[in-house]
Amino acid sequence: QKEVEQDPGPLSVPEGAIVSLNCTYSNSAFQYFMWYRQYSRKGPELLMYTYSSGNKEDGRFTAQVDKSSKYISLFIRDSQPSDSATYLCAMSGNDYKLSFGAGTTVTVRA
Amino acid sequence: DSGVTQTPKHLITATGQRVTLRCSPRSGDLSVYWYQQSLDQGLQFLIHYYNGEERAKGNILERFSAQQFPDLHSELNLSSLELGDSALYFCASSFTPYSNQPQHFGDGTRLSIL
Repeated sequence: QKEVEQDPGPLSVPEGAIVSLNCTYSNSAFQYFMWYRQYSRKGPELLMYTYSSGNKEDGRFTAQVDKSSKYISLFIRDSQPSDSATYLCAMSGNDYKLSFGAGTTVTVRA
Repeated sequence: DSGVTQTPKHLITATGQRVTLRCSPRSGDLSVYWYQQSLDQGLQFLIHYYNGEERAKGNILERFSAQQFPDLHSELNLSSLELGDSALYFCASSFTPYSNQPQHFGDGTRLSIL
């Protein structure tokens, strides 16, 4: 079993819809949780960075962390075609080594 | 633009050869991390350097080595290349070596082994 599980999709939604992405993990030592966006032929771009449980909002993006369930989510409101990309969850303990999910490919249809 | 620069963008070579990938971290960042991204394994941590010193190794093969120079740029050396080494290699950087600082990634080097 992988340390971080993420449904690879693909996920296709109409423009303006809410995109819901999630990851589960097994390592209780994880404390730092990130979401990266990766466009084709580009590097992962940091979207959200959270510590421990709770919610964090940044513009159209909301990240949720539930450590008791070992479950994290990313919501994208009012999705745009420019949001079409692969979204990767990542997490680490105190050892700075990032463990990534497989990535979910999202397509927002105009 | 993350501020992390990787060269070359694309490298094509043959089995058995040796290549060097280069990374310049964001201005002010002291930590450099190397990752490998392949279709079957996803993004895998290879190695971490902080201010010139190796801090940790992940799933890095013995044929691979890295170093960080006094000007903080880093190089990843891959030798005796095999077809399975074809992948995207990413460099990331952060200010400190600790998890409370997020890592920022470059656009990678695509390595193709023929």
